[in-house]
Amino acid sequence: NAGVTQTPKFQVLKTGQSMTLQCAQDMNHNSMYWYRQDPGMGLRLIYYSASEGTTDKGEVPNGYNVSRLNKREFSLRLESAAPSQTSVYFCASSNGQETQYFGPGTRLLVL
Amino acid sequence: DQQVKQNSPSLSVQEGRISILNCDYTNSMFDYFLWYKKYPAEGPTFLISISSIKDKNEDGRFTVFLNKSAKHLSLHIVPSQPGDSAVYFCAASAEGTYKYIFGTGTRLKVLA
Repeated sequence: NAGVTQTPKFQVLKTGQSMTLQCAQDMNHNSMYWYRQDPGMGLRLIYYSASEGTTDKGEVPNGYNVSRLNKREFSLRLESAAPSQTSVYFCASSNGQETQYFGPGTRLLVL
Repeated sequence: DQQVKQNSPSLSVQEGRISILNCDYTNSMFDYFLWYKKYPAEGPTFLISISSIKDKNEDGRFTVFLNKSAKHLSLHIVPSQPGDSAVYFCAASAEGTYKYIFGTGTRLKVLA
């Protein structure tokens, strides 16, 4: 089992460009999450999907959109990247309130 | 408003001694708590959890204590090892919700 996988591992964008971060899990979890980690800020929830077919905003949703493509996959899209979106992005999955399992992260630099 | 706080950004401990990492929360609806360890350039890995129906949970060298009246939890690592050097996050969740609120993390350095 690969657990939670994320692509790409690293990306450089120019301001205004768009991109999609991909996440997949093979643990048959119902819930999936996108976080960003910034120095001194911990992990902040961007969006989550409690179950297939549903998505909800987290603490910092502005500038992002998500798609729960199926039970396995949950993507995060930046329509018009801004330097403030330079961060490390983590995807996670769980069954409800149980332990969340994280992917290895995507490092994004917006110039 | 930070609902989950880790007020110590960093902590240094000698190898073999006890490490105590603290976490405070403000939302009385939180009823499930997790601790994660994170190495640089890796995703957080789950360490230990505790439910609000308990006040202590142990797993090997790791013990988490929960004081509901004080809205405080702590992670004890005994004995501390150099490989424990990492950033530790606590996270809290309320029943019926699917999301966790994370603290800002404490960087633990275990000195050999």
